[in-house]
Amino acid sequence: ETGVTQTPRHLVMGMTNKKSLKCEQHLGHNAMYWYKQSAKKPLELMFVYNFKEQTENNSVPSRFSPECPNSSHLFLHLHTLQPEDSALYLCASSQEGESTDTQYFGPGTRLTVL
Amino acid sequence: LAKTTQPISMDSYEGQEVNITCSHNNIATNDYITWYQQFPSQGPRFIIQGYKTKVTNEVASLFIPADRKSSTLSLPRVSLSDTAVYYCLVTGGGNKLTFGTGTQLKVEL
Repeated sequence: ETGVTQTPRHLVMGMTNKKSLKCEQHLGHNAMYWYKQSAKKPLELMFVYNFKEQTENNSVPSRFSPECPNSSHLFLHLHTLQPEDSALYLCASSQEGESTDTQYFGPGTRLTVL
Repeated sequence: LAKTTQPISMDSYEGQEVNITCSHNNIATNDYITWYQQFPSQGPRFIIQGYKTKVTNEVASLFIPADRKSSTLSLPRVSLSDTAVYYCLVTGGGNKLTFGTGTQLKVEL
């Protein structure tokens, strides 16, 4: 499925680097999400954007900075990360921001912080 | 917020029907039950959603008893490719979309 794409698929970065993850959805949805999935842990919702406005920030450290320039694109800017931030970062979109809406996930970015 | 409980893991063989039960004792009137499937290193994929009684699509069936305090995802004639983690979620109302640890289904020959 190519409804939600994420780049890069894999990323290795040092703790002092700055990088960005990109997500794009081609489904005409109005809500976009960032999730973090660490090894053997449940998905953790990080941020929610609805009509380009951030509607949820689940106490995410400031070293993660989201950006949503329009309803189709979502970025996650990373800086001064820690090794424990290594995880699979998943982007999703849905028609609106309701939890009953089906969420469509991208393939994820596998991030390794050295 | 409604909490869900489901088995950590299940094993099955190809061709068998698999039923995964989820309990959600404090489900509210406006809540729905939604199931997602996740393969390793991929994002979850929506399987099915229901409110009450029975819902069926091309992939699975969802059985919800009258009291709605539990639900059962039924996968007919599983194959090796159905090996995945299955998540039961209560959605709607004031609930956030919260993924628990899910049920790891392993299908063998």
